[in-house]
Amino acid sequence: DAMVIQNPRYQVTQFGKPVTLSCSQTLNHNVMYWYQQKSSQAPKLLFHYYDKDFNNEADTPDNFQSRRPNTSFCFLDIRSPGLGDAAMYLCATSRDKAATTDTQYFGPGTRLTVL
Amino acid sequence: GQQLNQSPQSMFIQEGEDVSMNCTSSSIFNTWLWYKQEPGEGPVLLIALYKAGELTSNGRLTAQFGITRKDSFLNISASIPSDVGIYFCAAYNNNDMRFGAGTRLTVKP
Repeated sequence: DAMVIQNPRYQVTQFGKPVTLSCSQTLNHNVMYWYQQKSSQAPKLLFHYYDKDFNNEADTPDNFQSRRPNTSFCFLDIRSPGLGDAAMYLCATSRDKAATTDTQYFGPGTRLTVL
Repeated sequence: GQQLNQSPQSMFIQEGEDVSMNCTSSSIFNTWLWYKQEPGEGPVLLIALYKAGELTSNGRLTAQFGITRKDSFLNISASIPSDVGIYFCAAYNNNDMRFGAGTRLTVKP
């Protein structure tokens, strides 16, 4: 059974048109993460929520925002997608942020295309 | 960010061969993880290591957490075609998670 679910799996948007990607988890984990992964590269962390506390990476553009309305769901909002934002977006969760409970489990990803 | 040194970048091997890849860091980490990613999918956790010196197996996969806490290796024995994919190491320390650049494995039948 899927534990980290991402919808949609494929998303096409137009240049500058806002888009929202969603992630849900059945693990009841405290921490949820959003990564951007471009072709043949390692995932790059954008931000994470530790419970309701939002933690932004220093180099994440303002164009990227996130919401976590409850434990199970987390959203990635791209306010004005540019061509450079085309990528795979991965959601991950971990039970906590301490050693032995910090293992991250990834969803299948949403591939975003910007036309 | 991508600050782990993972090697090799790619490997082309014959089915049945053993594979070894490793990751090193200039910093100490408390947790080392190995993931496999197939095209169009998210990374799938293979092995998690939490203790320096720990050697853990998962079927044909074996990984070790280096004594210095600055490195880890992953071995795959008797490779099969479905082992193809990109293998990422990851290391974690409090709020700091790093990924290696990945090792792309191709297995020829």
